Amino acid sequence: AQTVTQSQPEMSVQEAETVTLSCTYDTSESDYYLFWYKQPPSRQMILVIRQEAYKQQNATENRFSVNFQKAAKSFSLKISDSQLGDAAMYFCAYSFPQGGSEKLVFGKGTKLTVNP
Amino acid sequence: GAVVSQHPSRVICKSGTSVKIECRSLDFQATTMFWYRQFPKQSLMLMATSNEGSKATYEQGVEKDKFLINHASLTLSTLTVTSAHPEDSSFYICSAPRPGPITDTQYFGPGTRLTVL
Repeated sequence: AQTVTQSQPEMSVQEAETVTLSCTYDTSESDYYLFWYKQPPSRQMILVIRQEAYKQQNATENRFSVNFQKAAKSFSLKISDSQLGDAAMYFCAYSFPQGGSEKLVFGKGTKLTVNP
Repeated sequence: GAVVSQHPSRVICKSGTSVKIECRSLDFQATTMFWYRQFPKQSLMLMATSNEGSKATYEQGVEKDKFLINHASLTLSTLTVTSAHPEDSSFYICSAPRPGPITDTQYFGPGTRLTVL
C-alpha cells in the first residue's frame, strides 16, 4: 500500500526566511505524481506544486520549489521569502493512475507558522 | 476562481435526519469525483470515489448505506449522510480531477462542516 509520511507536525519560520517541509513516501509504482497542498484556516485545499515522477527536474512555482529524490522516495517543499499568508497546514500527497481514477493519498500534514 | 463548488458550506441537523451535500465542477466535466472526511487537526481521509453512470467505490471501513453517493451528471456528485448521528459531525470535502495536458489535477471544493446535534 502507498503511504505518505510527514515527520514534522509543526514548523515555524520568520517572515522573509526560508523553510523546508519534509515528506517521504512508499510505493512500488514507477509512474506516479506528487503534490503539496496548502490548507489555510479557511480550510480550502489549494494546490501549491506538483511533480511528475518521470521528470528528474525539480518543480518550481515562484517562491515554492521541491527537492525530489526518487531513489530515496523523498519530496520536500522549500518556501523562500516566507510571507505571513503562507501560514497554513501543508499536506504532501501522492497519486498514481489506476483504472482511470487517480486517488490521492495524503500525509498527516505539517502546520506552518510564520512569525512577523 | 473556484473550479469546484460545494453546498452547503455549513449544516446543522438533528440526530436521525439525513443531510445532502452537493459537489459541482464549475467549468469542466468530471466522470470521477472524490469525497473526503477531515476531523479537526487531522488529514483528509478518502471515503469514496464517485463514478458518473455507475456505483460509487467505497474505501474500506466506510459504510455505503450510511454515506450514499450519487453522481447525477458529469458536473454533479452528491453525498447523503443518512440517519446522521453526532459521530458523523465532521468536515466533508469533495474533489474533482480537472483534465490537463499531461495528467489530471485534483481541485477541491471549499468543504462542508456538518454538525449533528
